[in-house]
Amino acid sequence: EAGVVQSPRYKIIEKKQPVAFWCNPISGHNTLYWYLQNLGQGPELLIRYENEEAVDDSQLPKDRFSAERLKGVDSTLKIQPAELGDSAVYLCASSPGLASYNEQFFGPGTRLTVL
Amino acid sequence: AQKVTQAQTEISVVEKEDVTLDCVYETRDTTYYLFWYKQPPSGELVFLIRRNSFDEQNEISGRYSWNFQKSTSSFNFTITASQVVDSAVYFCALSEPDSNYQLIWGAGTKLIIKP
Repeated sequence: EAGVVQSPRYKIIEKKQPVAFWCNPISGHNTLYWYLQNLGQGPELLIRYENEEAVDDSQLPKDRFSAERLKGVDSTLKIQPAELGDSAVYLCASSPGLASYNEQFFGPGTRLTVL
Repeated sequence: AQKVTQAQTEISVVEKEDVTLDCVYETRDTTYYLFWYKQPPSGELVFLIRRNSFDEQNEISGRYSWNFQKSTSSFNFTITASQVVDSAVYFCALSEPDSNYQLIWGAGTKLIIKP
């Protein structure tokens, strides 16, 4: 069974440019998460989807970040415009159930560098 | 106050030694879940275990074991006969209704196993 797929693995952009990350969760997993991870820290939740509905986006900086999961399968996270402080690893995870107490399965992440 | 505390920032041991990673949590809920994840140098977070608050039985999986003690709000992780491949950052996390079941992550413990 394929794991969580993310692309690209690495992205380098100039500040003020837009950037998008794509995630395909494990087949059949209803819940999808986007996290941000800074070096030496644990992941920070940005948004949680249950099917196509964003059920928790309270920590998503909505002035520049947006996300979508139109058909309840794959998802895209966008930053526009990117700032220097957005440099981090963006992780996508999925879980089979509709509640966060289920174990989450993570993708390899996208390492973003903003110059 | 931190809800999940991993006081050991970094631990270094020689291969074949046993090592225990500490995790102390804080919650007001009676129903909650505790997790351990491993993040090797490749970056992908790997699920290790989930424990619910009603199950205090210790768990053993090969060289890994977990000691859950509600009396001290701890969920410690022991690796027996450590191997170089165990080198990684290990995260403890809490999921509780009070936080809408978001995973609350500790800061992680970097484990270095020297050959």
